[in-house]
Amino acid sequence: DIHLTQSPSSLSASVGDRVTITCRASDPINSYLNWYQHKPGKAPNLLIYAATRLQSGVPSRFSGSEFGTDFTLTISSLQPEDFATYYCQQSYMTPWTFGQGTKVDI
Amino acid sequence: QVQLQESGPRLVKPSETLSLTCSVFGASISSETYYWTWVRQPAGKGLEWIGRLYTTGVTHYNPSLKNRATISADTSRDQVSLRLQSVTAADTALYYCARVEEESTSWRSWLDSWGQGILVTVSS
Repeated sequence: DIHLTQSPSSLSASVGDRVTITCRASDPINSYLNWYQHKPGKAPNLLIYAATRLQSGVPSRFSGSEFGTDFTLTISSLQPEDFATYYCQQSYMTPWTFGQGTKVDI
Repeated sequence: QVQLQESGPRLVKPSETLSLTCSVFGASISSETYYWTWVRQPAGKGLEWIGRLYTTGVTHYNPSLKNRATISADTSRDQVSLRLQSVTAADTALYYCARVEEESTSWRSWLDSWGQGILVTVSS
């Protein structure tokens, strides 16, 4: 299985901060990497797909980048509605796997 | 806009079969552009992929479930179902269905719409 390691597992930030979350894959996954935002009691929400592509309707403060097997999700200026848990997910090979999540709170 | 809604028993006894239904609104599950998947999240843990169902009927499952899972579709009702046999307490989780979009040129895929999830508890 491809293992995804997210870091940090949690972080505290303030409105307006720039936030970066990293996801490292155990093997090359060729941009088959997606990012989701999840709030308690809500459906997870797709933010970034194919490593760098912004899902329609998602604010442009979210962006994704790729450096080999390292992937990052960046929130350029954190907004109150961005406090949530973020997951990366690989669809390069089955079984699909997720990172363990990064909780962003105040 | 597509909406997905999971339903089914919220309490299942050990050794019995968990059966969930995902009702899809605003889209046809027969569309060749998309296919369907189930994901679960045990309390306090991360997300675990269960399996996927293509519109052709082809399925793939997570080997960690040891052949206990079955995903199927009722196209007349636009519903996707999950059955998980021989459940134990370890199967207690929040279960999500999701729609998968696949890029035809690269085969990259992503879960573009999710249901809100249903909490299923395995307990006697």
